[in-house]
Amino acid sequence: NAGVTQTPKFRVLKTGQSMTLLCAQDMNHEYMYWYRQDPGMGLRLIHYSVGEGTTAKGEVPDGYNVSRLKKQNFLLGLESAAPSQTSVYFCASSLEEDRGPPNQPQHFGDGTRLSIL
Amino acid sequence: GQQLNQSPQSMFIQEGEDVSMNCTSSSIFNTWLWYKQDPGEGPVLLIALYKAGELTSNGRLTAQFGITRKDSFLNISASIPSDVGIYFCAALAGGTSYGKLTFGQGTILTVHP
Repeated sequence: NAGVTQTPKFRVLKTGQSMTLLCAQDMNHEYMYWYRQDPGMGLRLIHYSVGEGTTAKGEVPDGYNVSRLKKQNFLLGLESAAPSQTSVYFCASSLEEDRGPPNQPQHFGDGTRLSIL
Repeated sequence: GQQLNQSPQSMFIQEGEDVSMNCTSSSIFNTWLWYKQDPGEGPVLLIALYKAGELTSNGRLTAQFGITRKDSFLNISASIPSDVGIYFCAALAGGTSYGKLTFGQGTILTVHP
């Protein structure tokens, strides 16, 4: 019963490098989300997806791209990493709104700690 | 955009004491959630509130959805060392929100044995 799994758990990049963070969920959830967590700022939504093949911008999307080719996977890409993208990244998933209780709560992975030098 | 103001930012208490934290907003929300985050892990849901005025308990935790739908509080009674962590409020707006959460800044709780 893995829930939401994020890989890698840690990564150090140089400015300008690219990388992809992987999120996988085994709960058959329709909705998936990527957040970043910075000290004193809580979690901020980067991008989200309401289903396979669809993505949308969140609160802080600049510098990131996402893809949802399979329902269980949600990828976050950094094309050209910048020091301002040093953060802890969390993926989350939830059921769609019309299944079960209203406003289904999100389930989170354990995070990816990313440092950009 | 929508913001949640969570207070206090941090608390240092003795084991056995009660704890209270709250979140306020200028916007109306349809759902309030409280999460706890342990070091090195993702947030874990503690309590979900779906109706204005609702009071819900989960063991030593009690949370309420404010009547105005603009605030919520979380109480922890008889704190123990494992209560240490960061507590976040989060909220969902009405309509088709696609589950997008707005988070508070977090309350860092330290419990001294």
